[in-house]
Amino acid sequence: DIVLTQSPLSLSVTPGEPASVSCRSNQSLLHSDGHNYLDWYLQKPGQSPQLLVYLGSNRASGVPDRFSGSGSGTDFTLKISRVEAEDVGVYYCMQALQIPPVTFGQGTRLEIK
Amino acid sequence: QVHLVQSGAEVKKPGASVTVSCKTSGYTFTVYALHWLRQAPGQGLEWMGRINTDNGRATYAQMFQGRVTMTRDTSISTAYMELTTLTSADTAVYYCVGSLKVPAPSRAFDFWGQGTLLTVSS
Repeated sequence: DIVLTQSPLSLSVTPGEPASVSCRSNQSLLHSDGHNYLDWYLQKPGQSPQLLVYLGSNRASGVPDRFSGSGSGTDFTLKISRVEAEDVGVYYCMQALQIPPVTFGQGTRLEIK
Repeated sequence: QVHLVQSGAEVKKPGASVTVSCKTSGYTFTVYALHWLRQAPGQGLEWMGRINTDNGRATYAQMFQGRVTMTRDTSISTAYMELTTLTSADTAVYYCVGSLKVPAPSRAFDFWGQGTLLTVSS
C-alpha cells in the first residue's frame, strides 16, 4: 500500500498569515497520463471532509484561491496564502493512484492563534 | 443538485451486523462508483472499499475482506454497506463518497454523505 506522511501534524497560525502542509508518499503518485493522483481535503469540526485540491494542483469548485496545491512525484504541499478563521480543521492528503486501497495521510490540525 | 443521504445512527452489540444505506439523487446513479470510508473517534480516514454501481462489482480493502459487503439497488439509486462480526474497534462514523463532478481523470471525492455514526458496545 502507498503510505502518505504529513507534516506538521498540527499548526497554530495567526489570521492573515500563511500556512503550509507537506505530504510525502513512499511511492511516486505520477501516473503515465501525466497527472499526480494526490488530493487534499479539509474536515471542519463536526463536518464531513470537503475536497480542496485534486490531481495535485487543481482547486475544486468553490474553493477560495488562497488555497493552492503543488508538487509532483512523492512530495506535495498545500499552501494557504492568508489563513482565515474558517480554515480551522484537519487537512488530509489522499492518494488515488493505486486502488485498492485509497490511502490518506494522518491529518494536520490547523488552529487559529 | 447532487445529494448523498445516509441512514441514521446505529448502536449494535459486539458480534452483530450493521447495514448502512446511502440514498443518492441529482445524477445518474449507475455512471459513477461509490466508495465507503470510515473514521474512528478522533482518528483519520480509512477506505473500506468501493462498488461499481452499474454492474454491482465491489472491491474491498484487505482488512475488511470477509466482513464487509457492498451492494446497490439501482431502482432506488441507493448503495448499501454491510459490516458483520462487529467489535468495539468498528465504532466510527461511516461515509459514502463519490467522484461525481470532479473533472476526469481525477478520482477525488467531491461528494460526501453526512456520515453515519456506528457505536458498538455491550
